Amino acid sequence: EDQVTQSPEALRLQEGESSSLNCSYTVSGLRGLFWYRQDPGKGPEFLFTLYSAGEEKEKERLKATLTKKESFLHITAPKPEDSATYLCAVPENRDDKIIFGKGTRLHILP
Amino acid sequence: DTEVTQTPKHLVMGMTNKKSLKCEQHMGHRAMYWYKQKAKKPPELMFVYSYEKLSINESVPSRFSPECPNSSLLNLHLHALQPEDSALYLCASSQESLNTEAFFGQGTRLTVV
Repeated sequence: EDQVTQSPEALRLQEGESSSLNCSYTVSGLRGLFWYRQDPGKGPEFLFTLYSAGEEKEKERLKATLTKKESFLHITAPKPEDSATYLCAVPENRDDKIIFGKGTRLHILP
Repeated sequence: DTEVTQTPKHLVMGMTNKKSLKCEQHMGHRAMYWYKQKAKKPPELMFVYSYEKLSINESVPSRFSPECPNSSLLNLHLHALQPEDSALYLCASSQESLNTEAFFGQGTRLTVV
């Protein structure tokens, strides 16, 4: 069964304390991996798409990387405004659907 | 412009009411989706429209009725909802299919009383 697992469930960091969020997947024949940021009560905001192992994408303090089994979202010197839930998603193999991970709730303390 | 617009932002309805949620995009995307999201859970897919035809219905109860009048618009008609249907309803669109990134609207916060 295709699965997407994100860890940790929640992460509290001090402002400026860099860390990484993990997304592991079991989908074979990956057709893309998506990262989203979601603020409370709002819709997910698209961040990155990664298609092949070794690929990296960057945006401000965020960098997403992809291996054959997992993706990392690295956050460098985070600020309080980076606090949000970060969702990882992959297309399912059998049907034309996306599988979302449960997300990582990130809280950056000033 | 990567905007998906949803209206209304908030909706309170009684269990006997009929209401509609609306979604609009002008990015030329040919796939549009409805998701339901409960607090602290990931979005759950409800319906997928591809080229204005319903391609996926995730066994959603018939009290939810989707409609795609044209390639830019997506509606969700609500009738005889239950309190447990209270949630954030999200519309999204993507260029062709779910192999490309989807862009989400800000959602409609629905409360059923």
